[in-house]
Amino acid sequence: GENVEQHPSTLSVQEGDSAVIKCTYSDSASNYFPWYKQELGKRPQLIIDIRSNVGEKKDQRIAVTLNKTAKHFSLHITETQPEDSAVYFCAAWDYGQNFVFGPGTRLSVLP
Amino acid sequence: KAGVTQTPRYLIKTRGQQVTLSCSPISGHRSVSWYQQTPGQGLQFLFEYFSETQRNKGNFPGRFSGRQFSNSRSEMNVSTLELGDSALYLCASSLAPTDTQYFGPGTRLTVL
Repeated sequence: GENVEQHPSTLSVQEGDSAVIKCTYSDSASNYFPWYKQELGKRPQLIIDIRSNVGEKKDQRIAVTLNKTAKHFSLHITETQPEDSAVYFCAAWDYGQNFVFGPGTRLSVLP
Repeated sequence: KAGVTQTPRYLIKTRGQQVTLSCSPISGHRSVSWYQQTPGQGLQFLFEYFSETQRNKGNFPGRFSGRQFSNSRSEMNVSTLELGDSALYLCASSLAPTDTQYFGPGTRLTVL
């Protein structure tokens, strides 16, 4: 089955800097990769996703890149703000299976 | 549209008891997945239902079971509760298994 690794487990950046979180997956059949943000005490919220026929997707300060050959995808947050502080989860999915989530990255944006 | 709702939000049970959690998906969504979230294990997949049929099941003991009704609402049941079952139980709904999942607020279960 699918296995998703996520690095780093914790990340601290200064406000205004960029943050990058990387995930690797094992099943080459996986074709959908969402990213979720979970603030303390709240539900995970989808922030961006990408499908395997696309290499990059951007939404304002957030972007996701996908390298199918290397089986990894990354979340990029530019101009970080204190409200970006949260736990971020990546996930991978392939048809016929279920979503498999990475262990999460705790991002702290320091003022 | 109203989001995914889960009831109850908090539960306190003792070892050996059983519990039933409920999830109401977004209107029109037919797929419901359940996850267990603990600080050390992250989001662990429990099972997924689509059109009242269980499509997939995670690596959890048989004490964990679920079902889905014709209106797509889903319940999960945990029997013979153990201390290790204390966790946040999240459900997520999607239009179909291939689509984006939207999470509910979760039910926090504490087993004493």
